[in-house]
Amino acid sequence: ILNVEQSPQSLHVQEGDSTNFTCSFPSSNFYALHWYRWETAKSPEALFVMTLNGDEKKKGRISATLNTKEGYSYLYIKGSQPEDSATYLCASIYNFNKFYFGSGTKLNVKP
Amino acid sequence: EPEVTQTPSHQVTQMGQEVILRCVPISNHLYFYWYRQILGQKVEFLVSFYNNEISEKSEIFDDQFSVERPDGSNFTLKIRSTKLEDSAMYFCASSSAGGPYNEQFFGPGTRLTVL
Repeated sequence: ILNVEQSPQSLHVQEGDSTNFTCSFPSSNFYALHWYRWETAKSPEALFVMTLNGDEKKKGRISATLNTKEGYSYLYIKGSQPEDSATYLCASIYNFNKFYFGSGTKLNVKP
Repeated sequence: EPEVTQTPSHQVTQMGQEVILRCVPISNHLYFYWYRQILGQKVEFLVSFYNNEISEKSEIFDDQFSVERPDGSNFTLKIRSTKLEDSAMYFCASSSAGGPYNEQFFGPGTRLTVL
């Protein structure tokens, strides 16, 4: 079983702060990495699909980078808002179709 | 906006009983998945399904599990003889194309409690 790790486990920030968290994964046989945003009692919502080394994706105030050689991805949130409070989950894909998830980073943004 | 739906939201069953968890994927999607999350643990991949057959399954997906697309809209996960350790949230997902590069859309999950 491949181990995908996320850090930190939880994060408390003030509204307006910028923050980032990490997803680490084994780089051998890596295909792609997915980031999800998961609010309590809702479905996980896809944020980004990252595929190439050096890939950078952006959606509004949220962006993500990927380093496949060293096996990590960063998710950045600029100017956090209370509505950004959620668990951010990454999943690394191997052997084309096998998804391995991290434990998630739970973000709490205080107004 | 189209979404994946799952029923029931919560299922309680006795150990040894059979359960069927139901999912309605997004209508034009062709690839379907089941995942589970045991309380306090990571989300785990169970199975992917395309063109009426399993395309990939994990070590967890043993003979007690089966999947089916009984009609044009539903995608089901059957657990034949439930065990206590099957208690988990079960998530269905669908995508328009398969493989690692395509976004998956998740349902809200079914919480299965085995007593």
